[in-house]
Amino acid sequence: KAGVTQTPRYLIKTRGQQVTLSCSPISGHRSVSWYQQTPGQGLQFLFEYFSETQRNKGNFPGRFSGRQFSNSRSEMNVSTLELGDSALYLCASSSGTGVEYGYTFGSGTRLTVV
Amino acid sequence: QKEVEQNSGPLSVPEGAIASLNCTYSDRGSQSFFWYRQYSGKSPELIMSIYSNGDKEDGRFTAQLNKASQYVSLLIRDSQPSDSATYLCAVTGAGNMLTFGGGTRLMVKP
Repeated sequence: KAGVTQTPRYLIKTRGQQVTLSCSPISGHRSVSWYQQTPGQGLQFLFEYFSETQRNKGNFPGRFSGRQFSNSRSEMNVSTLELGDSALYLCASSSGTGVEYGYTFGSGTRLTVV
Repeated sequence: QKEVEQNSGPLSVPEGAIASLNCTYSDRGSQSFFWYRQYSGKSPELIMSIYSNGDKEDGRFTAQLNKASQYVSLLIRDSQPSDSATYLCAVTGAGNMLTFGGGTRLMVKP
């Protein structure tokens, strides 16, 4: 069974640009969550989608957005990139209707903003 | 105050010893509790889940939950150098999301 797939693995962008990250959950998983991980802040929740609906959003500015498609694949977009957006972005999927069984994480996308 | 607290470590134990990792949380309504292991440069990997008070054992790992005291712990018996990693405690919070602690770095010395 394929795991959670995130693309691309690495990205280098310039301040002011925008970026789109992609996540394909485990087959059959309908809940997809996104986290930002930095050395100083640890894992910070961005948002969670279930059946194409955003159910939860973390405390991030509006420059961070996401969506989920009917096949449960998800994308997140960051506009007007800032240096502080450099981080590992992790996507996770879960079975069931929520997180009662925990998440399975993808390998992440490492974003560097220069 | 952070919602999920862990000692950042590093926690250093000799090979073969028991490693004890602790976590406290603030939301009394939390129902599900998880331990993740994260190797340097890798993504977190789920190793244990626990939902009710008491102990849950899986191989060399034992998770312990005390909801009254709002703490969760992870014991690793017969620690191996390959157990050296950062261990993240995660707790369900409001809505369908997990809140993570900052992680405890474990070093197992041969």
